[in-house]
Amino acid sequence: AQTVTQSQPEMSVQEAETVTLSCTYDTSESNYYLFWYKQPPSRQMILVIRQEAYKQQNATENRFSVNFQKAAKSFSLKISDSQLGDTAMYFCASADGSARQLTFGSGTQLTVLP
Amino acid sequence: DAGVTQSPTHLIKTRGQQVTLRCSPKSGHDTVSWYQQALGQGPQFIFQYYEEEERQRGNFPDRFSGHQFPNYSSELNVNALLLGDSALYLCASSLGLQPNTEAFFGQGTRLTVV
Repeated sequence: AQTVTQSQPEMSVQEAETVTLSCTYDTSESNYYLFWYKQPPSRQMILVIRQEAYKQQNATENRFSVNFQKAAKSFSLKISDSQLGDTAMYFCASADGSARQLTFGSGTQLTVLP
Repeated sequence: DAGVTQSPTHLIKTRGQQVTLRCSPKSGHDTVSWYQQALGQGPQFIFQYYEEEERQRGNFPDRFSGHQFPNYSSELNVNALLLGDSALYLCASSLGLQPNTEAFFGQGTRLTVV
């Protein structure tokens, strides 16, 4: 069984600053995938970034990047040049070859302050 | 492209009643997954449908059942509603069953059981 843990229920950051959201996971599979999803007040989950566990290079999508530490089972999200529109709930999630569904953490509410 | 659409957006039911929620997947997608998101928590996987069959199921009782139609749309049925079934129900669609495929989410159905 997979577990995903997010230990920061709430965070805030000033506009244009950088913030890092933490996530740890546990899985017995060797082939798995990690995701960060964003859920704004509109409730619709949007994929921010994903990482294949077999890739050593950290994924990057514009202002969003991850720090994937496989041995430590850590998968943090860094948001650079934070914008007001980044205010949302952020969920870390995992999936693997046997449990193909997404397993989510409890989320981190990020507020970007003007 | 309309994306994933869910209906209704809000619903109030009485304890003991039955409810049906509906989901139309993103155009071209053939796989539908359902998640339950309690207030302040991350989504929890209910079940996944592909080729009109339930392919995987999470830790939910048999009161939760589903169906997928030939056009890939799906229904989630919950019988004998309990107060604890109050939650946001999210539908996600994807292409195929690979765990690394991007899941697109609808805006959810907010179910309140009184």
